[in-house]
Amino acid sequence: DGGITQSPKYLFRKEGQNVTLSCEQNLNHDAMYWYRQDPGQGLRLIYYSQIVNDFQKGDIAEGYSVSREKKESFPLTVTSAQKNPTAFYLCASSPGAGETQYFGPGTRLLVL
Amino acid sequence: QKEVEQDPGPLSVPEGAIVSLNCTYSNSAFQYFMWYRQYSRKGPELLMYTYSSGNKEDGRFTAQVDKSSKYISLFIRDSQPSDSATYLCAIIKAAGNKLTFGGGTRVLVKP
Repeated sequence: DGGITQSPKYLFRKEGQNVTLSCEQNLNHDAMYWYRQDPGQGLRLIYYSQIVNDFQKGDIAEGYSVSREKKESFPLTVTSAQKNPTAFYLCASSPGAGETQYFGPGTRLLVL
Repeated sequence: QKEVEQDPGPLSVPEGAIVSLNCTYSNSAFQYFMWYRQYSRKGPELLMYTYSSGNKEDGRFTAQVDKSSKYISLFIRDSQPSDSATYLCAIIKAAGNKLTFGGGTRVLVKP
């Protein structure tokens, strides 16, 4: 059963804490993406990766970091430098750059 | 000015009506056009994908693109309460690296 999985579904962060969101895909897609969605707003691109061991900043990368050590995995770390992290985080993948993107179920991050 | 503009709604229609959604964009470099449906607290689901001007039909859904006017539309025929969701348009440049999303239109289909 192919698809994109994200975990956890809900995540709570304390002040000053780094947290990592997981994204895994078994679609054999080369490209993966992280988006942030705030209430009533569209999706904003945080980071993307077109190939293993390579990634690029999106429109709102400050306070976030990523890695792409495996084709199937693209974890996102929300660092303590991100002052307003409360949002819905969505991971997506596509066969290649410029192709249709498919989304995971999302992770909701809340600050305690 | 945002690159992609979309009316946030909400758009309320009775069951069985046609739902009409649209987006306008400013950059003629955009070449590929998508519509996603997003239920509350879920990830977006791809509904339609098109790259040429004209109409594309898939079941109850019709996507329409007018590149000369930089205007795209999505029509939902025989709307059902299960169509109640937020609809996002997304546009990408040829060989581009990212989708540019509209803000989404919330649709409510009343039984």
